[in-house]
Amino acid sequence: DVKVTQSSRYLVKRTGEKVFLECVQDMDHENMFWYRQDPGLGLRLIYFSYDVKMKEKGDIPEGYSVSREKKERFSLILESASTNQTSMYLCASRGGGSSGANVLTFGAGSRLTVL
Amino acid sequence: DQQVKQNSPSLSVQEGRISILNCDYTNSMFDYFLWYKKYPAEGPTFLISISSIKDKNEDGRFTVFLNKSAKHLSLHIVPSQPGDSAVYFCAASEETSYDKVIFGPGTSLSVIP
Repeated sequence: DVKVTQSSRYLVKRTGEKVFLECVQDMDHENMFWYRQDPGLGLRLIYFSYDVKMKEKGDIPEGYSVSREKKERFSLILESASTNQTSMYLCASRGGGSSGANVLTFGAGSRLTVL
Repeated sequence: DQQVKQNSPSLSVQEGRISILNCDYTNSMFDYFLWYKKYPAEGPTFLISISSIKDKNEDGRFTVFLNKSAKHLSLHIVPSQPGDSAVYFCAASEETSYDKVIFGPGTSLSVIP
């Protein structure tokens, strides 16, 4: 089974702090994604990456950046955390190929609270 | 403007009965649709999908129906079990464009024993 691991399940940070959310997948997937989940809004795409050192903006990239130095690791960075970034953050990965190509495998999530 | 809509935030169903979760989409370019299930404190897990070349896909107790002309899909769970209680997300994408998968806001299903 594909496993996507998010290192921090719960974080509490202060406004203005720099925050790193780490995500690792173990199935050699090319594509990795960061979403945030908020009540009534579903999952919204922040950034995604096709390959090492590649990144593309999703629907809500403002206030975030990402890093993908190795294929298995995709990090989400909040340069200066704000209270409106309090949310559940979900990392996902997806393999290439035509069969089930659009099926994302998610990590367990990182619940971030910004005070 | 949400491209994928789930207009029922919550649904309660008796155990053993049918659960029907609905989803509407606005982008006619979407041609691949997925349902994910999410338990509290866990990530979403893939449940079932359907391509626009089909109008029905079945997997055990789960069936997804697609009505392209109405831009509407539904997930049927028969029979419903208490373990099915979760939030269900509808998602859509263009099969030829593997970048964005757009999710709806979710429907919280409660199956009452």
